[in-house]
Amino acid sequence: GNSVTQMEGPVTLSEEAFLTINCTYTATGYPSLFWYVQYPGEGLQLLLKATKADDKGSNKGFEATYRKETTSFHLEKGSVQVSDSAVYFCALTGSGGSNYKLTFGKGTLLTVNP
Amino acid sequence: GAVVSQHPSWVICKSGTSVKIECRSLDFQATTMFWYRQFPKQSLMLMATSNEGSKATYEQGVEKDKFLINHASLTLSTLTVTSAHPEDSSFYICSASGSGRGTDTQYFGPGTRLTVL
Repeated sequence: GNSVTQMEGPVTLSEEAFLTINCTYTATGYPSLFWYVQYPGEGLQLLLKATKADDKGSNKGFEATYRKETTSFHLEKGSVQVSDSAVYFCALTGSGGSNYKLTFGKGTLLTVNP
Repeated sequence: GAVVSQHPSWVICKSGTSVKIECRSLDFQATTMFWYRQFPKQSLMLMATSNEGSKATYEQGVEKDKFLINHASLTLSTLTVTSAHPEDSSFYICSASGSGRGTDTQYFGPGTRLTVL
């Protein structure tokens, strides 16, 4: 079945530091890949997505590239801010048919200090 | 972007009572809605998937008679926790996907925190 493995946290950075959160996946076919962010006490917000190999999703300074050869979708940001402190979830949906269910990674807590 | 709302945002109830949580898609038609629960510092656990006008499909281990799901329209799904007990206390989150918003993308509500005393 499908699975997502993401870097275990927590991750603590200083403001303006470079961020990488690793995510690798196992899936058949061509899944769509997502990063969701959850701020304290809130639901999930879609951060970015990519639907095919070599696509780059980007939003709010965050980027992730769909790498089929390494089955990865690492999240990066060049300069983090305190407001980026949240839990980040990598996820995928399977390809075609009824494979619309999201498979989530366990989440990575990011704390950015001023 | 696509907006999904939930009501209430938090609820406290006594053991043995039932609680209804609403999930609405505000600016698109949600052909499919999903219900999750999340325990503290953990990932989301899918409880059930509902398609408008049909019965919900429950994940293994989720009691369908305890967690009643209704998806009567393209913009509204409800989750009713029947005869709630303290172990049902959790953060319940819905999501929706549908026409015009990419059927492979789920948009999440803000969540409902349920506390059962």
